[in-house]
Amino acid sequence: SQKIEQNSEALNIQEGKTATLTCNYTNYSPAYLQWYRQDPGRGPVFLLLIRENEKEKRKERLKVTFDTTLKQSLFHITASQPADSATYLCALDTGGYNKLIFGAGTRLAVHP
Amino acid sequence: SAVISQKPSRDICQRGTSLTIQCQVDSQVTMMFWYRQQPGQSLTLIATANQGSEATYESGFVIDKFPISRPNLTFSTLTVSNMSPEDSSIYLCSERRGAWNEQFFGPGTRLTVL
Repeated sequence: SQKIEQNSEALNIQEGKTATLTCNYTNYSPAYLQWYRQDPGRGPVFLLLIRENEKEKRKERLKVTFDTTLKQSLFHITASQPADSATYLCALDTGGYNKLIFGAGTRLAVHP
Repeated sequence: SAVISQKPSRDICQRGTSLTIQCQVDSQVTMMFWYRQQPGQSLTLIATANQGSEATYESGFVIDKFPISRPNLTFSTLTVSNMSPEDSSIYLCSERRGAWNEQFFGPGTRLTVL
């Protein structure tokens, strides 16, 4: 069956360190993979999109990698700050206007 | 980015009643999406709403329980019918735009059914 897996346990890191979140999927062939941030009581906010033919994408302190052989994406936040504390969701897009399939998210807590 | 508003932001309802959630977007869009997010869970797509046609429902969701209207290109409603406590959830509307179909979400409607 099709699955998207993100670490269910919260990730706790010290301010200034790099946070790395993992998204693994099975039985999908996504055209794109997207990452979202969700704060408590709010809707998800789009962060980054990476296409199947891209290995890496960067935006300011954020970096996403996409390995279609391993069926995995890694999401990095460098020089993390307490304001980065949130839940981060990955989502698969099979292209066109097909639906996005979301992972359950990983909660990140950055401590001062 | 998109501006999406939802009303109400939250509600507490009695079992057996119905609630209609409104979603307004700031520009015309072809497709709008309704998601549910149960406590501690990820987002689950309920249905896709195209203007001028019937909504397309995902497995496990039916029109009688979650009727959707899409009267124009900037507005949609989702009704949660004959509610039970299991319907307690956050309901989010969403639309996609941009070169790579980035998805934008409304702030959500937090529903509690007693």
